[in-house]
This record gives sequence, structure tokens and C-alpha cells, in this order.
Amino acid sequence: DAGVTQSPTHLIKTRGQQVTLRCSPKSGHDTVSWYQQALGQGPQFIFQYYEEEERQRGNFPDRFSGHQFPNYSSELNVNALLLGDSALYLCASSWGFSGNTIYFGEGSWLTVV
Amino acid sequence: GENVEQHPSTLSVQEGDSAVIKCTYSDSASNYFPWYKQELGKGPQLIIDIRSNVGEKKDQRIAVTLNKTAKHFSLHITETQPEDSAVYFCAASNNGNNRLAFGKGNQVVVIP
Repeated sequence: DAGVTQSPTHLIKTRGQQVTLRCSPKSGHDTVSWYQQALGQGPQFIFQYYEEEERQRGNFPDRFSGHQFPNYSSELNVNALLLGDSALYLCASSWGFSGNTIYFGEGSWLTVV
Repeated sequence: GENVEQHPSTLSVQEGDSAVIKCTYSDSASNYFPWYKQELGKGPQLIIDIRSNVGEKKDQRIAVTLNKTAKHFSLHITETQPEDSAVYFCAASNNGNNRLAFGKGNQVVVIP
């Protein structure tokens, strides 16, 4: 049973560029959430997708956007990258958007230079 | 929104001793409290969770207790081993939205 998988594992981007991160949820899960984890901090909720729609959003600017595909996989897009966007981006999945256990992937390390 | 705080930030214990990490939360509507273990360079791994209709839950050497009145919950690790060394995060959510609010994490160091 494959867990939550994310790609790429590491990437380096230049300030002002755009980045796309990808996530496949754990088998049987239909809800995907994205979190940003800065060094030495706890993960911060970005947004959640269920039935291909953004259901909830944390306190992140519109530069952060996402998408969920019919097979439940998801993408996180960040435009106009800032140095402060450097972080570990975590994808989490669950079955349904309420009341169920949440599992995380290993994350994508983004460095903005 | 929910605010979760963890104490202490760093905890060093001798191998074989117990470790306890305490978290407090602010939102009385929160009713789901998971604990995650994160090793260097890896994603958070769920180790135990508790829902608000239960006061205590145990899984081998790990247990979690919940005090809803005081709005705090604690992770207990007994007979610590070197492989328990990691950063531990507590989190809270309202079961209705699966949106987790995390604490800042506790670095646990088990000294052989």
C-alpha cells in the first residue's frame, strides 16, 4: 500500500520564478491538503482539496494556488517566488475532508535563491 | 483560529527513562489531537492520536492523555530508545474540517 508520494524531493528556483509541486495521495484517500514547514517550525496549513475543489485555505497569498485531478492527485503552484518561500512543502491525505486520520508525505524541499 | 503550544522545546533523557511532552490548545471546538514524529529530512509520521471522547490511549511504549477542561494533551514515551530521538509535533483540529494546527515541535534526544 503506497503512502503519500511527492515530487520532486528537492529543487532550487530563482526569485520571481514559478514552481509546481506534485502529490499522489495514499491509496483510498480522496482529500489532499498542503502545508508549508519553515526550518525549525511546525507545518502551516496552506489549503485543502476535495472533489477537485479548494475547500479551505490558510493565511497564504494568492501566489499559492493548487489543483486536484480526477484521480485525486494534486499540484501546488507558487508564482513570483520570494526568498521567504524557501521551505519544506508537505502534502497530506485523508479519506473525506472531515473526521479522519491524516497522513503526510516526505515533502518537497524548495530553496529560492 | 486554533493556537497550539508545546513545552519544553528540547528534552534530553537517558535511554530507558520516560519522556513527556505537553501541548496546550486554545479552541474548545478542537476534538482531534494527533502526534507526529519527524526525523531529519523526512516528513511527519503519525505515531498516535486521540479524539475528544477518550481521555487516554496507549500503543505499546507510547501513550497520549487528554484533559479537555484544561485544554491540554500530553505524549508519554516509556523505556526510551535511541531511535526515539526526533522532533515530535502535536496538532489539533476540529474534526469537521481535517485542518491541523501544529505546535512548534519538541526536539527529543535520547542519550545512550
